[in-house]
Amino acid sequence: EIVLTQSPATLSLSPGERATLSCRASQSVSNYLAWYQQKPGQAPRLLIYDASNRATGIPARFSGSGSGTDFTLTISSLEPEDFAVYYCQQRSNWPPFTFGPGTKVDIK
Amino acid sequence: EVQLVESGGGLVQPGGSLRLSCAASGFTFSSYEMNWVRQAPGKGLEWVSYISRDGRTMYYADSVKGRFTISRDNARNSVYLQMNSLRTEDTAVYYCARELGWLQAYFDYWGQGTLVTVSS
Repeated sequence: EIVLTQSPATLSLSPGERATLSCRASQSVSNYLAWYQQKPGQAPRLLIYDASNRATGIPARFSGSGSGTDFTLTISSLEPEDFAVYYCQQRSNWPPFTFGPGTKVDIK
Repeated sequence: EVQLVESGGGLVQPGGSLRLSCAASGFTFSSYEMNWVRQAPGKGLEWVSYISRDGRTMYYADSVKGRFTISRDNARNSVYLQMNSLRTEDTAVYYCARELGWLQAYFDYWGQGTLVTVSS
């Protein structure tokens, strides 16, 4: 089973700042990695798939990069609605699909 | 508009059973693989089960294998999760989720979730 780790656990930033979130896989997942955003009381929302492709309707301030074992989600300038928990997920070697433990982006 | 609506959650005693349903609309249901993903209170996301478009292939997380059964009815645009021998650690919000597309095993649409509480 591929284990995903995310860092940091919590990221405290102000609106307008740049957010950089990391996801590391225990073995190569090629580019088969996605990012999700989840707000309290809501279902997750797909942001990025195949490491760097934005899902439908996702603003351009969200971007993904990486391959192999190291991946990054970047939010270029935080909007108030971006404060949430972010998860990565791999589909390279499944079952099982696995998720990272999440990074919480909160307001500084 | 794509919609996924789960139902069937509730309070059940350890060892009991529940059947979750997910009704889909707004897309050609039979053309998409479907999954169940759960989230324990205050915790992260855990994939539970997968079913292929034709319902012939199913996969399960080790934590539920032998206790949970996924199925689908393409005529009714629905996917189900039969949960038996429930344990306290199965307490979670259960989401049904659609895959993005063929060989694109990411989850692009999710239901609102249904809460399953396993407690005596």
